[in-house]
Amino acid sequence: SQELEQSPQSLIVQEGKNLTINCTSSKTLYGLYWYKQKYGEGLIFLMMLQKGGEEKSHEKITAKLDEKKQQSSLHITASQPSHAGIYLCGADTGNQFYFGTGTSLTVIP
Amino acid sequence: DVKVTQSSRYLVKRTGEKVFLECVQDMDHENMFWYRQDPGLGLRLIYFSYDVKMKEKGDIPEGYSVSREKKERFSLILESASTNQTSMYLCASSRTGLWGYTFGSGTRLTVV
Repeated sequence: SQELEQSPQSLIVQEGKNLTINCTSSKTLYGLYWYKQKYGEGLIFLMMLQKGGEEKSHEKITAKLDEKKQQSSLHITASQPSHAGIYLCGADTGNQFYFGTGTSLTVIP
Repeated sequence: DVKVTQSSRYLVKRTGEKVFLECVQDMDHENMFWYRQDPGLGLRLIYFSYDVKMKEKGDIPEGYSVSREKKERFSLILESASTNQTSMYLCASSRTGLWGYTFGSGTRLTVV
């Protein structure tokens, strides 16, 4: 069963455009993690969110966790080719860790 | 800087061979994990370990075994490699609690 729904599955945007990736769970999350994976490489940790309503930013990437702690969004402002890759959300539900299926992002120069 | 190191980036093996994938972490983490990643299927947990000499099956353990003789090292073993085990293998480690996972850079295994 898929505990974390991630959408969209893939995204192609023109350089400079904004985009949003969503991660939804049916369970309350104790921790929500965003990772980025460049094609053919390992996962790089981006951000962790724990509190309802929490928002964190790093450079042009902002992640939010909703008040119910069941949905998170990752927003990229003014996308660049360096943002291309696969974005994965991971979540701790208290007794197990789950991953979303990933969003493949292509940024066209 | 924390590190999880996987011994090989790319590996090509023949059907029926015994394959060892090695993973070493230098963060003194208690927990270590092996995942495989396939297009459209996401990350699937093969085995994990919460302590030295301890191992637990994940979602897809068939055809694999693991070994954790030392805290820093977690090995994945393909007893008799098959073509359907061609995949990207990712090792991860974590501290107990809400600390997230640190991943290695992956091993792309091709079984021919």
